[in-house]
Amino acid sequence: KAGVTQTPRYLIKTRGQQVTLSCSPISGHRSVSWYQQTPGQGLQFLFEYFSETQRNKGNFPGRFSGRQFSNSRSEMNVSTLELGDSALYLCASSAGQEETQYFGPGTRLLVL
Amino acid sequence: DQQVKQNSPSLSVQEGRISILNCDYTNSMFDYFLWYKKYPAEGPTFLISISSIKDKNEDGRFTVFLNKSAKHLSLHIVPSQPGDSAVYFCAARATSGTYKYIFGTGTRLKVLA
Repeated sequence: KAGVTQTPRYLIKTRGQQVTLSCSPISGHRSVSWYQQTPGQGLQFLFEYFSETQRNKGNFPGRFSGRQFSNSRSEMNVSTLELGDSALYLCASSAGQEETQYFGPGTRLLVL
Repeated sequence: DQQVKQNSPSLSVQEGRISILNCDYTNSMFDYFLWYKKYPAEGPTFLISISSIKDKNEDGRFTVFLNKSAKHLSLHIVPSQPGDSAVYFCAARATSGTYKYIFGTGTRLKVLA
């Protein structure tokens, strides 16, 4: 089976812009979670979608939003970018809520 | 509030010796634990997991130990190989409630040849 794919892999934006990141889960996986990784902070949970519904949300401002489509693909949007949003954004998919998560390679976002 | 802590940011071990990576948690509702390995420019790769009904789980060179009373888990790698050099994250989850994973900040393991 193909793994989790994320596009784009690298992105450079300026402050105030918005960005949309995409994640395609492993075939058959219905749960998609998003994480932000910054140096020294580990992986911070953003949100999780299952069957097009947001089930869980982390402690991030409303500028961070997401959605999931009927084919389980997910997008994450960040509006009004700030310098501190520079990070590696990781997507993980799992077959169900209690199943192990498998990660994609991430999208590295740099905000200038 | 960091519910999952990896207090050692880095660890160096000689090839062939044992690597022991530690993780502490504070939330007694956590009952499922995982270890992930991450190479630069790649996403984390699942290594091994353990349910709270067990105190040990082995998979080849990797063994995870869980001490529920101490709220502590550890990953043992024996023997360590240069290819094991990576950042290791532990993660915890409750199987009731929100189900979301909480990750530690990672430990960078360097295996010296």
